Amino acid sequence: DAKTTQPTSMDCAEGRAANLPCNHSTISGNEYVYWYRQIHSQGPQYIIHGLKNNETNEMASLIITEDRKSSTLILPHATLRDTAVYYCIVRVASNFGNEKLTFGTGTRLTIIP
Amino acid sequence: GAVVSQHPSWVICKSGTSVKIECRSLDFQATTMFWYRQFPKQSLMLMATSNEGSKATYEQGVEKDKFLINHASLTLSTLTVTSAHPEDSSFYICSARATNNYGYTFGSGTRLTVV
Repeated sequence: DAKTTQPTSMDCAEGRAANLPCNHSTISGNEYVYWYRQIHSQGPQYIIHGLKNNETNEMASLIITEDRKSSTLILPHATLRDTAVYYCIVRVASNFGNEKLTFGTGTRLTIIP
Repeated sequence: GAVVSQHPSWVICKSGTSVKIECRSLDFQATTMFWYRQFPKQSLMLMATSNEGSKATYEQGVEKDKFLINHASLTLSTLTVTSAHPEDSSFYICSARATNNYGYTFGSGTRLTVV
């Protein structure tokens, strides 16, 4: 199963772009990269996912390197409400054929006023 | 968008009793649901995967007789913590995946405190 590596914590000034890196050097060709975030004492919130092309939605942009070994989540204009733990996840297939999301330790992003 | 409702949001129970947590997909059918547990300052740990109409698949180290999972319909899965003990106190979160959809939606979680 492909695993991910993220920095433990990051700070970003309010109003600036927050760039969160993720390494997934063992990713397989058919595995997607998902990003979720978890605000304290809530369930994770879906942000974005992609396979190999860059993706953008109303929340963020996802930049995946050409070799797919790493990606960056970009929050274009960070606000205080973006303070959360951000998880980069590679979707795996279990031995029983059920596709599950396995969470790593994530990056604790703190937006500084 | 897809919404997953989890109930209760918090519960306190006495040691030795059982607690049932419900996870409902409100606007989509979920062939697969996942149950996670999260201890303070830790990441989410997958406990089990349940598929509608069949037995749940438990992760290694999770006691299936203690954490009973039922996924009787395409919109409801339940997790019952049997004979709860203080060490079972945790944040339990469910997730549902829609039929023919690669998206995963999470519930808001249930904080269980066993006293």
